[in-house]
Amino acid sequence: NAGVTQTPKFQVLKTGQSMTLQCAQDMNHNSMYWYRQDPGMGLRLIYYSASEGTTDKGEVPNGYNVSRLNKREFSLRLESAAPSQTSVYFCASSNRDGSSYEQYFGPGTRLTVT
Amino acid sequence: KQEVTQIPAALSVPEGENLVLNCSFTDSAIYNLQWFRQDPGKGLTSLLLIQSSQREQTSGRLNASLDKSSGRSTLYIAASQPGDSATYLCAVPSGGYNKLIFGAGTRLAVHP
Repeated sequence: NAGVTQTPKFQVLKTGQSMTLQCAQDMNHNSMYWYRQDPGMGLRLIYYSASEGTTDKGEVPNGYNVSRLNKREFSLRLESAAPSQTSVYFCASSNRDGSSYEQYFGPGTRLTVT
Repeated sequence: KQEVTQIPAALSVPEGENLVLNCSFTDSAIYNLQWFRQDPGKGLTSLLLIQSSQREQTSGRLNASLDKSSGRSTLYIAASQPGDSATYLCAVPSGGYNKLIFGAGTRLAVHP
């Protein structure tokens, strides 16, 4: 059971370049999330998708776009990378039904923008 | 706006000690609280999820309690081991759709 997978694991970009971070889950979860983690801070929500076909902004959405490709996949795109987007990016998924709302995380993508 | 605070920010203890990590939140209208472990350079691993109707949850040497009225949760680690060294994060849902608000974490080092 792979859980939540993310690609790539590491990436270095130059300012102004674009890239897409990929995320997939195999737990048949309805909801998916993108967070970023910066040193000394907790994780902050960038975007989320409550269900297939819907996306919405989180706490820090500026400079990002997302696509919920299908129930399994949720991608995060940086259109024009900036040094302030240097961070570790985590994808997560959960269900909103039933008694458990446990959220499961992927291994992260470590992004450096120079 | 929900805010989550974790105290202490860092903790270093000798092996075998019993530990208490603290998490506080400002808005008590939560339906659960989740504790995670993060090893250096790795993702988050869910340790325990406490539903709002529960007061505590146990998994092995870990016990988490939840007091909604006071806005507090504690993670108790019994008989700590060097393998427990990691950062421990607590998180609560806020604004619907299980969007999580995280504390900054407690960095734990257990030395032999």
